[in-house]
Amino acid sequence: DVQMTQSPSTLYASVGDTVTITCRASQSITNWLAWYRQKPGKAPNLLIYTASNLQSGVPSRFSGSGFGTEFTLTISSLQPDDFATYYCQQYNTNSGTFGQGTKLEIK
Amino acid sequence: QVQLQESGPGLLKPSETLSLNCAVSGYSIISGNYWGWIRQSPGKGLEWIGSVFHPGSTYYKSSLKSRVSISVDTSKNQFSLKLTSVTAADTALYYCARTLLYFGEPTGPFDSWGQGTLVTVSS
Repeated sequence: DVQMTQSPSTLYASVGDTVTITCRASQSITNWLAWYRQKPGKAPNLLIYTASNLQSGVPSRFSGSGFGTEFTLTISSLQPDDFATYYCQQYNTNSGTFGQGTKLEIK
Repeated sequence: QVQLQESGPGLLKPSETLSLNCAVSGYSIISGNYWGWIRQSPGKGLEWIGSVFHPGSTYYKSSLKSRVSISVDTSKNQFSLKLTSVTAADTALYYCARTLLYFGEPTGPFDSWGQGTLVTVSS
């Protein structure tokens, strides 16, 4: 299976900051990568698909980039609602593996 | 507005069969999306289990393939998961979800999710 590794595991930031989360694949997945935000007690919410496409209804402060094995999610001008856990997921292969998550906490 | 709702027993004994349904409302299950099951546990994180595409193509995670089956019931606009011979390792929050239309593959990305149902396997 393709392994997805996110870094960092925990990220501390303040409202208004810009943060970046990285996701690395153990082999090339071209651009078949999605990002999700999960708030406590809720299901994941799709933010980005095909590495850089913003899902309908998602604020433009979220952006994604990357190709092959390295990808990033950038959140600019952090809002209180953004303090949650973020997951990447590859859907290039028939394992659909998720990263282990990055918890974004208030500094 | 599509809504997905999981249902099924929350407590199973080892070796039993896990059976869950996902009722879809506000959207037709034969619209061209893949419909999947994903589980989440503290130990394994988020794990894609499998997906179905009407009229009957199925896709399963290889390590679970011998124990999993997913089916669609178009008359009820729902799809179902069966996982046989469960163990404590199958204890998790189980989600049903829909992939994006046109940009979706069997394993994602998932744009609509149910609220999840907790399944505990314990003797």
